[in-house]
Amino acid sequence: AQRVTQPEKLLSVFKGAPVELKCNYSYSGSPELFWYVQYSRQRLQLLLRHISRESIKGFTADLNKGETSFHLKKPFAQEEDSAMYYCALPNYGGSQGNLIFGKGTKLSVKP
Amino acid sequence: DAGVTQSPTHLIKTRGQHVTLRCSPISGHKSVSWYQQVLGQGPQFIFQYYEKEERGRGNFPDRFSARQFPNYSSELNVNALLLGDSALYLCASSLGQGRYEQYFGPGTRLTVT
Repeated sequence: AQRVTQPEKLLSVFKGAPVELKCNYSYSGSPELFWYVQYSRQRLQLLLRHISRESIKGFTADLNKGETSFHLKKPFAQEEDSAMYYCALPNYGGSQGNLIFGKGTKLSVKP
Repeated sequence: DAGVTQSPTHLIKTRGQHVTLRCSPISGHKSVSWYQQVLGQGPQFIFQYYEKEERGRGNFPDRFSARQFPNYSSELNVNALLLGDSALYLCASSLGQGRYEQYFGPGTRLTVT
């Protein structure tokens, strides 16, 4: 079965430090992967989709099919990056409106 | 565009009662999906509707049902509420048809006592 694993529940870094939020997936084909972010008291927002290969708010993510990973990275963390981050994978065996989410990683950036 | 809207924001119900949650998608989006998010977990898929037809159903009991209206808005209904139904219910819309990215509403916080 397809699944998404985010091994870290909490990641705490200092402002200006590099940050990497890990995401591993299980799927044998070429997946389309997403990172969503939820800031305090705000809705879940689409941060990145790997097919567009864009950088949003300084974050990037590269799909590594060999390691089945899609880690989210930022070279210099800012306090405003503190939020919950979720990695998501389409359920290719289900409907197109069905995303499989990881349990999320809470990023805390300290001043 | 206001984005995806949901109502109500919060709701408190008693075990055994019924609840209806509402969602309006982004203008032009024809697909609506519902998710349940319990504390400490990522969203879990409940239903997807596209062009007013159910296109997908997650692993939830038959107490959960939904529908989509001609204007693409949607309702999620839950009957015979259990304490375990307490969660944040999220609605997401998308263009559908080959487009996987979804845009989420603020959610409805349901508390069952």
